Amino acid sequence: NAGVMQNPRHLVRRRGQEARLRCSPMKGHSHVYWYRQLPEEGLKFMVYLQKENIIDESGMPKERFSAEFPKEGPSILRIQQVVRGDSAAYFCASSPSAEGLRGYTFGSGTRLTVV
Amino acid sequence: QKEVEQNSGPLSVPEGAIASLNCTYSDRGSQSFFWYRQYSGKSPELIMSIYSNGDKEDGRFTAQLNKASQYVSLLIRDSQPSDSATYLCAVKGSQGNLIFGKGTKLSVKP
Repeated sequence: NAGVMQNPRHLVRRRGQEARLRCSPMKGHSHVYWYRQLPEEGLKFMVYLQKENIIDESGMPKERFSAEFPKEGPSILRIQQVVRGDSAAYFCASSPSAEGLRGYTFGSGTRLTVV
Repeated sequence: QKEVEQNSGPLSVPEGAIASLNCTYSDRGSQSFFWYRQYSGKSPELIMSIYSNGDKEDGRFTAQLNKASQYVSLLIRDSQPSDSATYLCAVKGSQGNLIFGKGTKLSVKP
């Protein structure tokens, strides 16, 4: 079991470009969560997805950010027209279900730097 | 707005001492509570979960939960320099997502 896989590990984008972050959940996990962590800050919830459905996007900025988890393939977090303030570590986590009392397993994260 | 509060620290303890990390939460209906450890530049890793009032022990770690006071704590006995990290408290929200505190930075001095 390879765990939660995120790629790329590091991503550099110029202001105005698009950033695409990918997350493959653990085998058997159908729930994916994206978090953002600014330097010296805690983890901020962004969005919770199941296959083909967005369950909770209350933490997503209203503009430029979108997320999907298609039937086939990884979950994608997309940031359009990046700005310097988007520079952060983006973590993906997965779980087998939302029910029950389990915590999440996190991926290694993608560190986005906007120059 | 559901919130999870932690003292940001840094908390410094000598090697071999007990480190005590505290967390309060605002949603009285919360049922599941978690402690994650995060080393600098790494991803969070789950170290403890607790759901019932009282204490739960796992090796050198003890999680304590008091739902009436909306308070969760983590005790680390016989602290080691390798325990130096940021400890994140998390509470499961009604939709199933975890809400994290900002973390407490622990430094264990040899």
